[in-house]
Amino acid sequence: LAKTTQPISMDSYEGQEVNITCSHNNIATNDYITWYQQFPSQGPRFIIQGYKTKVTNEVASLFIPADRKSSTLSLPRVSLSDTAVYYCLVYNNNDMRFGAGTRLTVKP
Amino acid sequence: EAQVTQNPRYLITVTGKKLTVTCSQNMNHEYMSWYRQDPGLGLRQIYYSMNVEVTDKGDVPEGYKVSRKEKRNFPLILESPSPNQTSLYFCASSRTSGRAADTQYFGPGTRLTVL
Repeated sequence: LAKTTQPISMDSYEGQEVNITCSHNNIATNDYITWYQQFPSQGPRFIIQGYKTKVTNEVASLFIPADRKSSTLSLPRVSLSDTAVYYCLVYNNNDMRFGAGTRLTVKP
Repeated sequence: EAQVTQNPRYLITVTGKKLTVTCSQNMNHEYMSWYRQDPGLGLRQIYYSMNVEVTDKGDVPEGYKVSRKEKRNFPLILESPSPNQTSLYFCASSRTSGRAADTQYFGPGTRLTVL
């Protein structure tokens, strides 16, 4: 299983763009890169998933370089409600392993 | 509404008293799993099930049992709970077990306290 490394915490202000980078040097050919968001006392919620290059949805963008050894979750113009823990996972076949995640705090 | 439900949401019990936490999904998902979340340890998988009558151990299965008699239900059983099983528990499901990286849908969580 590819191990992921991401910052423990990040602070931002409302309206700013936030970029959270995840390192996954041992990613396997079949692995997908997936990000989940978790609010306190709630289950994680899927944000975005990609395999290579760039993926964008209504919530975020995911940038993956050609070597796939890292990825960056980009949240445009964050609000207070984006304060949460963000998990980067690298897996296939549902073999998911959650790390400690990145605790994002958005300030007014 | 597509969802994963868990019951109870909160439970306080005593050591040794058998309990069951139910999990149900209405999305016809094949894959279901249980996680526990503890401060500083993140989410750890307890058991998972790839389909009816197929279950397997995750990272921390000791002290837990599961069953998958129907596709929609995946109860977590603590035969003899101990205080170190005090935790926040999440059930999750996804469409298939064979397809790469299917999105998992999580339930609202069950906060268990064992005295």
